[in-house]
Amino acid sequence: KAGVTQTPRYLIKTRGQQVTLSCSPISGHRSVSWYQQTPGQGLQFLFEYFSETQRNKGNFPGRFSGRQFSNSRSEMNVSTLELGDSALYLCASSPGQRMETQYFGPGTRLLVL
Amino acid sequence: KNEVEQSPQNLTAQEGEFITINCSYSVGISALHWLQQHPGGGIVSLFMLSSGKKKHGRLIATINIQEKHSSLHITASHPRDSAVYICAVYGGSQGNLIFGKGTKLSVKP
Repeated sequence: KAGVTQTPRYLIKTRGQQVTLSCSPISGHRSVSWYQQTPGQGLQFLFEYFSETQRNKGNFPGRFSGRQFSNSRSEMNVSTLELGDSALYLCASSPGQRMETQYFGPGTRLLVL
Repeated sequence: KNEVEQSPQNLTAQEGEFITINCSYSVGISALHWLQQHPGGGIVSLFMLSSGKKKHGRLIATINIQEKHSSLHITASHPRDSAVYICAVYGGSQGNLIFGKGTKLSVKP
């Protein structure tokens, strides 16, 4: 089976712009979670989608949003980018039950200038 | 205080040494993950455990639910084990993953 894929892998944006990141889960996986990793804060949970519904949400401002499509692919969007949004954004998929092993994608490295 | 604390933050070892990384948590949890992150960012799940001990090759993970503590052991360490090891727990009020800051391991030949 192909692993989790994320596109794009690298992205440079300027403050105030918006960005959309994409994640394709492992075939058959219905849950997709998104995480932000920065040197200062480490890994933090953004949100989780299951069957096109947001099942769980972390403590991030409303500028961070996401969605999941019927084929389980997911996108996350960050509007009005700030310098502090520069980070590695990781998605992970799992079959669908809560609290199970997650399979991580390679990440999208976002730089906001 | 972070809900998930790892020690040490950095660890340098000689090839062949036995390595232990510790993780303590303050929230009630359902399960604990040990993750490995290589330079470049990719993360691999090594173990998920909710009790006792698991072994995979040279890696052993243990958890003590009463003491809210887990350890990751690497036997006969090798330079290819050099990576950041991250402890994460399913816990807290929302049941999502809460991460430790990671332990950066460097194994010298």
